[in-house]
Amino acid sequence: GQNIDQPTEMTATEGAIVQINCTYQTSGFNGLFWYQQHAGEAPTFLSYNVLDGLEEKGRFSSFLSRSKGYSYLLLKELQMKDSASYLCAVRDRDYKLSFGAGTTVTVRA
Amino acid sequence: TAGITQAPTSQILAAGRSMTLRCTQDMRHNAMYWYRQDLGLGLRLIHYSNTAGTTGKGEVPDGYSVSRANTDDFPLTLASAVPSQTSVYFCASSESFTGELFFGEGSRLTVL
Repeated sequence: GQNIDQPTEMTATEGAIVQINCTYQTSGFNGLFWYQQHAGEAPTFLSYNVLDGLEEKGRFSSFLSRSKGYSYLLLKELQMKDSASYLCAVRDRDYKLSFGAGTTVTVRA
Repeated sequence: TAGITQAPTSQILAAGRSMTLRCTQDMRHNAMYWYRQDLGLGLRLIHYSNTAGTTGKGEVPDGYSVSRANTDDFPLTLASAVPSQTSVYFCASSESFTGELFFGEGSRLTVL
């Protein structure tokens, strides 16, 4: 099974940087995903890490350390539209994808 | 727009009744999934299918059944609904069981 932990809520100011941490324990590891979910909408894919290191995609970056069971999602130059829930998800040895409870990020003007 | 279509969008159901949530994708993805999302618990996998003709149980399969007769459709059936099945249900698909998931818009089910 999976145990995925991430903070419940974070608040930041427009233009700032926020880092959302995710720790996990899993039976086998076949990749870690980050999804964004706006209130009342479906989750949408942000990033994927399967090897250690940093993956950068515009204002968003995701980092993975498999030995530490740790990932973070970095959101730079925050915009009001970035207010959403961010979901960390881990794929196990059976390729099933399990999600953390999500981190609600609120961006203030 | 191509993608995943779920129906109904919202439904109120009396306890003990049966209900089928429909999910259709037009991306020819091999793998499909059903998740439920509850406040504070996140998305939990109910059932999945890695390819047409096969299905598997997820984290919370009890009270639900699925079928995968073809690539495009993956209906979720509640044989006898209970109030604890009140939730938002998301269908998702991926090109393979290793790929990223694409989600439908969700079906909000209330069981009274």
